[in-house]
Amino acid sequence: EVQLVESGGGLVQPGRSMKLSCAASGFTFNNYDMAWVCQAPKKGLEWVATISYDGSSTYYRDSVKGRFTISRDNAKSTLYLQMDSLRSEDTATYYCARAPGTTVPFDYWGQGVMVTVSS
Amino acid sequence: DIQMTQSPASLSASLGETVTIECRASEDIYNGLAWYQQKPGKSPQLLIYNANSLHTGVPSRFSGSGSGTQYSLKINSLQSEDVASYFCQQYYDYPWTFGGGTKLELK
Repeated sequence: EVQLVESGGGLVQPGRSMKLSCAASGFTFNNYDMAWVCQAPKKGLEWVATISYDGSSTYYRDSVKGRFTISRDNAKSTLYLQMDSLRSEDTATYYCARAPGTTVPFDYWGQGVMVTVSS
Repeated sequence: DIQMTQSPASLSASLGETVTIECRASEDIYNGLAWYQQKPGKSPQLLIYNANSLHTGVPSRFSGSGSGTQYSLKINSLQSEDVASYFCQQYYDYPWTFGGGTKLELK
């Protein structure tokens, strides 16, 4: 069974940093691209970033470029999102998702972790 | 960026009814279109990919259609467990973008 379990969320002050983790199991992690998707309270979904199966390629939405870094440790089957210079508008639930390829977007999602940016 | 416009924003339907949700892209997305279901307090679940391919384990009462810039999700014979929000998503080009969502309730 595919499982994605996020951790690392919480309350953080504007301008500070936070690192999210996503532990994967039930599939061969290093065969799949992975992604982060966020959802602000009572709002819709926004794609944040994607990393290729081997970590060689990364893609970001414009609003997080230069502030967020997606990475992965295939030996630990873990995906990360380093979030720096956090802003109030980054407040959201962050989901990690498996991204099988160009024909299938996000086929499995984690349960999500809440990040609140507030002073 | 490709804009995804989803309609209606909310929908009320009766058990057993057929429901259709529409999604319009701001440019041709060549069937790079997915539909997700999200129940309150839960993460999204993939229903449809490639505009009309049913994801593993999804009931056959769900179907997707469309091409170019116009796509739709149809739910036949609405069940109580289908009460949820539904989102379309284009993955033809980065940044991947979602529609604003449709909240489906029982009448």
